[in-house]
Amino acid sequence: DIQMTQSPSSLSASVGDRVTITCRASQGISNYLAWYQQKPGKVPKLLIYAASTLQSGVPSRFSGSGSGTDFTLTISSLQPEDVATYYCQKYNSVPEITFGQGTRLEIK
Amino acid sequence: EVQLLESGGGLVQPGGSLRLSCAASGFTFSTYAMSWVRQAPGKGLEWVSSISGSGGSTYYAGSVKGRFTISRDNSKNTLYLQLNSLRAEDTAVYYCARGLCSGGTCYIFLFDYWGQGILVTVSS
Repeated sequence: DIQMTQSPSSLSASVGDRVTITCRASQGISNYLAWYQQKPGKVPKLLIYAASTLQSGVPSRFSGSGSGTDFTLTISSLQPEDVATYYCQKYNSVPEITFGQGTRLEIK
Repeated sequence: EVQLLESGGGLVQPGGSLRLSCAASGFTFSTYAMSWVRQAPGKGLEWVSSISGSGGSTYYAGSVKGRFTISRDNSKNTLYLQLNSLRAEDTAVYYCARGLCSGGTCYIFLFDYWGQGILVTVSS
């Protein structure tokens, strides 16, 4: 099975900071990688798919990059409303539709 | 407005059964693949099962294959998940989620709208 590993597991940053979260696949998955945001007590929200395609309505400060095994989610200027847990998800093969373990983002 | 409303959760004993429902509105239900994703208390997301718009294709995670059955009734705009042989590790909030359609392409395993979730607790 292909494992998805996110790093860091948690981070704290200041408003306005550039924040980067990494997701690594144990084998290549081309660009079949999505990112979700789950705010505390809320349902997950799709941010990015195909590694770098911004979902409709998502602020442009969010961006994604990568291909193969290494992927990143970047928030160009952290806002207070970005406090959440972020999950990567691979979707290239069934039944291995797998989420990463999550990265908890807090404001310093 | 897209709305997904789950029902049917609750407390069940190990080995028991439960049927979850997800009532959909605000979109042409039969056009979209639908899925169930679960989240154990304080844990991450786990994909459970998906079904194509017509219902003709179904997909399951290895952890639930043979125990859970996904189905849909397009005349009632409703998605179902039959949970059998339940185990303590099936305890989770179960989310109903719609498959993304964008730019003429539909993705079964990308989820753009989610219900609020329903709690299933497996305990004696």
